[in-house]
Amino acid sequence: DAKTTQPTSMDCAEGRAANLPCNHSTISGNEYVYWYRQIHSQGPQYIIHGLKNNETNEMASLIITEDRKSSTLILPHATLRDTAVYYCIGTDRGSTLGRLYFGRGTQLTVWP
Amino acid sequence: AAGVIQSPRHLIKEKRETATLKCYPIPRHDTVYWYQQGPGQDPQFLISFYEKMQSDKGSIPDRFSAQQFSDYHSELNMSSLELGDSALYFCASGAGGAYEQYFGPGTRLTVT
Repeated sequence: DAKTTQPTSMDCAEGRAANLPCNHSTISGNEYVYWYRQIHSQGPQYIIHGLKNNETNEMASLIITEDRKSSTLILPHATLRDTAVYYCIGTDRGSTLGRLYFGRGTQLTVWP
Repeated sequence: AAGVIQSPRHLIKEKRETATLKCYPIPRHDTVYWYQQGPGQDPQFLISFYEKMQSDKGSIPDRFSAQQFSDYHSELNMSSLELGDSALYFCASGAGGAYEQYFGPGTRLTVT
């Protein structure tokens, strides 16, 4: 599985876009990038995933660079409820085992 | 929509006692994952089951065992409890060993 690195913490004003970067320079061609978040002491929550194309769903957008060495999760209009630890996880889609490696994520704090 | 159910939500045990944690996956999900999250730490994968067979194993102590039953619910059995076993235990479910997993609210185990 690809090793990912993320900033330890970020903050964002409520209503503004939150852009969370992730570096995954060792990612291989068949490895997806998944994003999860964990609001304090709650179960992690799936957000979005992608391989090489940009993806968007009702929660967020995922922008993956053309060389696939990094990506950015975008929360277009952050709210106070988006305060959480965000995890960028590289996976091997060729494996069906589905084990998630939660490394050091980014603590996003949204302030009013 | 139905979510993952975990019981109990809170459990207090003494050292050397045993504990059983239960997980009921989302209907029609065939894969169950168990994760452990110690205080101030990130979730760590313990074990997973696909179609009632163990599919992957992480750093799970030998004192722990788990199984998935015919109705797809899973139980994590923990014996000879130690103070270091105090943690949040999350169960997640998914379809076909996928990385898109849905987490339950967790069981907070406190060993005294």
